[in-house]
Amino acid sequence: DTAVSQTPKYLVTQMGNDKSIKCEQNLGHDTMYWYKQDSKKFLKIMFSYNNKELIINETVPNRFSPKSPDKAHLNLHINSLELGDSAVYFCASSQDRSGGQYEQYFGPGTRLTVT
Amino acid sequence: RKEVEQDPGPFNVPEGATVAFNCTYSNSASQSFFWYRQDCRKEPKLLMSVYSSGNEDGRFTAQLNRASQYISLLIRDSKLSDSATYLCVVTRNTGGFKTIFGAGTRLFVKA
Repeated sequence: DTAVSQTPKYLVTQMGNDKSIKCEQNLGHDTMYWYKQDSKKFLKIMFSYNNKELIINETVPNRFSPKSPDKAHLNLHINSLELGDSAVYFCASSQDRSGGQYEQYFGPGTRLTVT
Repeated sequence: RKEVEQDPGPFNVPEGATVAFNCTYSNSASQSFFWYRQDCRKEPKLLMSVYSSGNEDGRFTAQLNRASQYISLLIRDSKLSDSATYLCVVTRNTGGFKTIFGAGTRLFVKA
């Protein structure tokens, strides 16, 4: 019954590795997002997809590459991980893309630690 | 200056107290406004949307002042379970649709 799910919940890896985080929503929403929440708890949007199309790409290093195989899934692949990538990554989804009138539903987060 | 600013707190209040949080936003083109709640080590969840006329949901009242570009959240009769971080969220559709989260205000309600 989970609305937005992410795997894995915890990810500990070494610098230089490549890792992926998966996200799935079963709400029938058209728009999905990736957010990064750093140690200061500041939540910042990274990417947004609407119906598999990229609509927001904030200033994020190109080591981060989102992939949306269908509108229910938005995965995040990270190449050459760096210490500064350590954070909690949240996936979210919402009903609409314009105006942001609708609630965003968040996944439980993936706590990434780069050593 | 951040586009959405909140007092980080923490606010420490006794049970039963009334507490108010403010949030200011800098972009006058902002369209929609929300308060989210985030518990420790959990995901953010919508607490309430904020409408121009103000709105109330039980013990929670949200107000929007477009002229002064601020949003407020009032919590009456605080409960221990209200302890959390409250995030002010603003959306706009200028130069692309964006959702901007404030850094949050921490609330601790004590017995």
